[in-house]
Amino acid sequence: EPEVTQTPSHQVTQMGQEVILRCVPISNHLYFYWYRQILGQKVEFLVSFYNNEISEKSEIFDDQFSVERPDGSNFTLKIRSTKLEDSAMYFCASTEGGSGQPQHFGDGTRLSIL
Amino acid sequence: DAKTTQPTSMDCAEGRAANLPCNHSTISGNEYVYWYRQIHSQGPQYIIHGLKNNETNEMASLIITEDRKSSTLILPHATLRDTAVYYCIVRVLNTGFQKLVFGTGTRLLVSP
Repeated sequence: EPEVTQTPSHQVTQMGQEVILRCVPISNHLYFYWYRQILGQKVEFLVSFYNNEISEKSEIFDDQFSVERPDGSNFTLKIRSTKLEDSAMYFCASTEGGSGQPQHFGDGTRLSIL
Repeated sequence: DAKTTQPTSMDCAEGRAANLPCNHSTISGNEYVYWYRQIHSQGPQYIIHGLKNNETNEMASLIITEDRKSSTLILPHATLRDTAVYYCIVRVLNTGFQKLVFGTGTRLLVSP
């Protein structure tokens, strides 16, 4: 069964550094998402992306965050200058599109900011 | 999107049916009920969704009351691997993208 893959599984970065989290969505999917989950807290929506544009973003997704689909397969989340509070699991998801299609999630990248 | 209420935790014996309730009393006519689960440290996994009819797939069954104000996810023969947090999410079904809004879910513990 096709799946969403995320790399790396664990990223350790110094505060203030830039980090790029990578995702390969399911190949025929058209809509892409990033969510995050701080340890012990709820899964929170960050951003959705369709047709090479952000379609919706949350308050968390400020100017330090950006997303890109640099080629036909990858979908990336960049954090420009990381803060301690960016430490979390980051999940990528994709959906085929159309009404009601479920989102399929990757297993996440654990981001640890030191 | 309508708010949902789920018990914080539930226990189930291995091999027995696990029945996870969800209350969504403010659901509106164009909102569907989705269920996802999150096994420890993994990404959320889609289980099933429905509007008003009962639904069944290879993972679970979804029973929605006639007034649609509540639903029950049924895992017919729970295994240890079904230990997870189960999320009931209500959302409008429309074309294109739509974010998922996760609550705190129900932590299901399946024991031998």
